[in-house]
Amino acid sequence: AQTVTQSQPEMSVQEAETVTLSCTYDTSESDYYLFWYKQPPSRQMILVIRQEAYKQQNATENRFSVNFQKAAKSFSLKISDSQLGDAAMYFCAYRSKYNNNDMRFGAGTRLTVKP
Amino acid sequence: DTGVSQNPRHKITKRGQNVTFRCDPISEHNRLYWYRQTLGQGPEFLTYFQNEAQLEKSRLLSDRFSAERPKGSFSTLEIQRTEQGDSAMYLCASSLAPSNQPQHFGDGTRLSIL
Repeated sequence: AQTVTQSQPEMSVQEAETVTLSCTYDTSESDYYLFWYKQPPSRQMILVIRQEAYKQQNATENRFSVNFQKAAKSFSLKISDSQLGDAAMYFCAYRSKYNNNDMRFGAGTRLTVKP
Repeated sequence: DTGVSQNPRHKITKRGQNVTFRCDPISEHNRLYWYRQTLGQGPEFLTYFQNEAQLEKSRLLSDRFSAERPKGSFSTLEIQRTEQGDSAMYLCASSLAPSNQPQHFGDGTRLSIL
């Protein structure tokens, strides 16, 4: 079974600085999808960025980018020019291409942004 | 796009009571998912519908839990004879096929068992 590990329960960053959140996963599949979701306090979970495993190019969405290392099964999220509104729980998630009903989430990383 | 809507936002009930939650997905989404999230953890998959068909149920979904999506639109999740361990946030998400499409989440229903 696929598992997702986020080894950093909490991270903090100074406003306008850059922070990287770590995620590793375990799978025997060759094609799959990876996602980062953001869950602000008492608010709904929203998609930040996604990566398709067959694509070698790292996904980028404005200030958010990923470092996808398929061989190492690593999928880190980099947030540049951090803003106060980036403070939230961040969840890394894995979704099989073949068993598409099941998305596995990591335990999350709580990001604090200091003004 | 009004997003995924869940009701109620909060539910407090006594142990042993039955509770029902509702989820209204994004209208054109044919897939609907239920997750459970406990404090400090990521969401855990419970069950999944494609249109009105319930295609998958997690082992987490005991026989006290039942979910329906009768017309392929809104869904309900019922928990019978609630237990302390049922206290959690219940999240609903919807998506389009295929599986590379992201899931859009609702605000969740927070269940507290007294």
